[in-house]
Amino acid sequence: EVQLLESGGGLVQPGGSLRLSCAASGFTFSSYAMSWVRQAPGKGLEWVSVISGGGGSTYYADSVKGRFTISRDNSKNTLYLQMNSLRAEDTAVYYCAKRDYGDYAASENWGQGTLVTVSS
Amino acid sequence: QSVLTQPPSASGTPGQRVTISCSGSSSNIGTNYVYWYQQLPGTAPKLLIYRNNQRPSGVPDRFSGAKSGTSASLAISGLRSEDEADYYCAAWDDSLSVVVFGGGTKLTVL
Repeated sequence: EVQLLESGGGLVQPGGSLRLSCAASGFTFSSYAMSWVRQAPGKGLEWVSVISGGGGSTYYADSVKGRFTISRDNSKNTLYLQMNSLRAEDTAVYYCAKRDYGDYAASENWGQGTLVTVSS
Repeated sequence: QSVLTQPPSASGTPGQRVTISCSGSSSNIGTNYVYWYQQLPGTAPKLLIYRNNQRPSGVPDRFSGAKSGTSASLAISGLRSEDEADYYCAAWDDSLSVVVFGGGTKLTVL
C-alpha cells in the first residue's frame, strides 16, 4: 500500500523559512516523480513543483520560483520542499503526491497534507 | 485566475446527470491528457479520471470523462448525496512547463 506522510508544517513569520518532508513507502520511490500541491484556506488546488525520480529534473510554479526548492533523498525515500522568503500568500495546506500514469498532472496517491501558516 | 476554466458551481438532484466543463488552450488540454480530481471537505484530492476518460480502479462507472479540442468535461450520472464535493481538472502545460489546475467546481446535491 502506498503511503505518503508529510511533516514540517507550522507557523512561521513573513520572510522566514521552513522545510517540509514527505516520507514515502509502499512503492519503489526512486522510480517515480513526486509533486507538491498546495491549497490556501477556502481556495482551490495550486500546483507548486515536481521532481523527477532521479532528481535531475525539476519544475516550479512561477509563484514560488526562486524561493522554493524541491529535492529528494532516494536512500531515505523522502521528498522535501525547502521554502524561503515566505509570504502570507504561501499560507496553505501542502500535499505531496506521487506521479502516476507517466504524467506530471496525474496523481493517484496523496499525503494527508501539512499546514503552513505565514503570519506575524 | 486559473489557466483552466471551470464553472464555480454546479448542482443537481439525486439520480440526475450533471456535467462539469473545463476549458483550456492548445498548450495544455489541446495537446495533453486531462485529469479530474474529487475533493471532499477536509480531505486530500482523489483521482477520478485519468488520460481524459479512464477510471482508476474503484471509481464507479457513474463518473465519465471526455475531451474535445481544448475543452474537457466530467459527467456524473445517477447523482448521489455523497458526490457533493469540489471537482478539479488538471493538465500539463507545454508552454509554461507546469501543471495547471482549474479553479474548481463545487457540486451541490439538492
